[in-house]
Amino acid sequence: SQTIHQWPATLVQPVGSPLSLECTVEGTSNPNLYWYRQAAGRGLQLLFYSVGIGQISSEVPQNLSASRPQDRQFILSSKKLLLSDSGFYLCAWSSGTGNQPQHFGDGTRLSIL
Amino acid sequence: GESVGLHLPTLSVQEGDNSIINCAYSNSASDYFIWYKQESGKGPQFIIDIRSNMDKRQGQRVTVLLNKTVKHLSLQIAATQPGDSAVYFCALAREGAQKLVFGQGTRLTINP
Repeated sequence: SQTIHQWPATLVQPVGSPLSLECTVEGTSNPNLYWYRQAAGRGLQLLFYSVGIGQISSEVPQNLSASRPQDRQFILSSKKLLLSDSGFYLCAWSSGTGNQPQHFGDGTRLSIL
Repeated sequence: GESVGLHLPTLSVQEGDNSIINCAYSNSASDYFIWYKQESGKGPQFIIDIRSNMDKRQGQRVTVLLNKTVKHLSLQIAATQPGDSAVYFCALAREGAQKLVFGQGTRLTINP
């Protein structure tokens, strides 16, 4: 069966520090991969998605970037964090064929001080 | 593009009653719809999906209804249990689109 892992579960970072959140998927190949941010009590905002290695689509201009160095690895990064980057970051995967549900990891709670 | 709205941000029901959570959408080209359940501190969990060539689909204790005429989607939970307490999100996509558009969520609270 397929599984998705995100780490760390929680992270506290000072303003101006770099960020690297990692997501890996097991049990499937060539998945679509997604990064979302969820503000408290709100819905999900799509940040990036990828349909293949090295292919990244950005949905909103921001202080973050994403990379997909391997088929089942998706990384969310920042060179210098802002206070507004605080939030709950979720990684998801879906099958690359047709409309399929996205399956989410358990997220990273990021607090910027 | 798509936009998704929910009729109620919160819903309280008695344990054992049926729950109905609603979504409205704006784009008639939307043809794939999903319901997710999100418990506190966790990622959204897939519940059930439906494609536009259907108007009803049933799972275990859940039913999704799709009314394309009025662009309305609902999730019915039968015999609501305390474990059903969560935020429920609808999401939709167009055929071939790699992206989902999420509603803002409805918080379901179960009263004993």
